[in-house]
Amino acid sequence: DAGVIQSPRHEVTEMGQEVTLRCKPISGHDYLFWYRQTMMRGLELLIYFNNNVPIDDSGMPEDRFSAKMPNASFSTLKIQPSEPRDSAVYFCASSFLYQPQHFGDGTRLSIL
Amino acid sequence: QKEVEQDPGPLSVPEGAIVSLNCTYSNSAFQYFMWYRQYSRKGPELLMYTYSSGNKEDGRFTAQVDKSSKYISLFIRDSQPSDSATYLCAMYRQGAQKLVFGQGTRLTINP
Repeated sequence: DAGVIQSPRHEVTEMGQEVTLRCKPISGHDYLFWYRQTMMRGLELLIYFNNNVPIDDSGMPEDRFSAKMPNASFSTLKIQPSEPRDSAVYFCASSFLYQPQHFGDGTRLSIL
Repeated sequence: QKEVEQDPGPLSVPEGAIVSLNCTYSNSAFQYFMWYRQYSRKGPELLMYTYSSGNKEDGRFTAQVDKSSKYISLFIRDSQPSDSATYLCAMYRQGAQKLVFGQGTRLTINP
């Protein structure tokens, strides 16, 4: 079975540019999560969706961050404008209700 | 105080040793407990999943939950160099979908 697929795997861009991260969850999973991982703060939940509807976005750091899930097989996390402090590894995960989350291999983002 | 506390290590042990990794938590409502393994430049991979108190064994891995002490453990027997990774504990309460993670323990098994 295909796992959670994220793209791109690496992104290097300049400060002020728009960044779009993409995620394809495991087929059939009805929950999708976006996380950010840094050495200082560990894994932080940014937002999660249930059946394509955002449920909790309290972890989204600022208005520069937005996430969408237009259908059950695709989600995006957008940063506009990007800043150097946004540099981190961003993970997408998916799951069934009350079941463990399965993670993708992440997007390593560097903002110069 | 963080809801879940985990010693970040690093922890270094010789091959073949028994490894004990631990987390403590403060929220007594947590009922589902997980251990994830994360290799460098990869996503967290589910290793063990337990509900409520007790032990669960899977090959060389044993997960233990003590709800009365708010303490969970992961034991690795006959440790191998391929077990070298960061191990994250995670948990959530009934009715919630938000996982709360520990900081992760970086483990190195020396040949």
